[in-house]
Amino acid sequence: GENVEQHPSTLSVQEGDSAVIKCTYSDSASNYFPWYKQELGKGPQLIIDIRSNVGEKKDQRIAVTLNKTAKHFSLHITETQPEDSAVYFCAASRPRGNQGGKLIFGQGTELSVKP
Amino acid sequence: DAGVTQSPTHLIKTRGQQVTLRCSPKSGHDTVSWYQQALGQGPQFIFQYYEEEERQRGNFPDRFSGHQFPNYSSELNVNALLLGDSALYLCASSHIRLAGGTDTQYFGPGTRLTVL
Repeated sequence: GENVEQHPSTLSVQEGDSAVIKCTYSDSASNYFPWYKQELGKGPQLIIDIRSNVGEKKDQRIAVTLNKTAKHFSLHITETQPEDSAVYFCAASRPRGNQGGKLIFGQGTELSVKP
Repeated sequence: DAGVTQSPTHLIKTRGQQVTLRCSPKSGHDTVSWYQQALGQGPQFIFQYYEEEERQRGNFPDRFSGHQFPNYSSELNVNALLLGDSALYLCASSHIRLAGGTDTQYFGPGTRLTVL
């Protein structure tokens, strides 16, 4: 069935270091891969997304890479800051018209950035 | 421009009761999806509404039902509440695109439901 595995479950880094979170998906029909940041007591906030026709996307300190052959995608945060501390979720979805719109989420990674 | 709004913020119910949660989508959005997020886990898809119809459903029992109104707002109803229904219920809105595209979903703050 559809499944997204996310690692690690917790990640602690020093301020200024880089953080990498990895996800693997099982559904080969997936073509859309968003990443969400969730702070305590809040809903998930979209931070970056990538579609299957692109291998890499960058937005300032955040980048996402996609390897469709291996069904892997990763989130990279450079120059981490204490305000990056939160739980990060990866997700995968099929195209609209092929049961699209249903996001399958990973289990989450709790990132802690120490000053 | 208001984002996705949900009400109420918190709710406490007892087993067997019924609950209704409400969601208003982001301005310009016409599709609403509902998710259940248990403590320490990722959100799980419940169902999605577009043009006032349920378009997709996840692995949730019939006790979970929904509705979408002409103004695109939506309700989630849960009947015969169980202790295991305690969770954060999230609403996400998006705008339908041409076939083959994938909507970007924006989440509301959620409703924290506690079942005693």
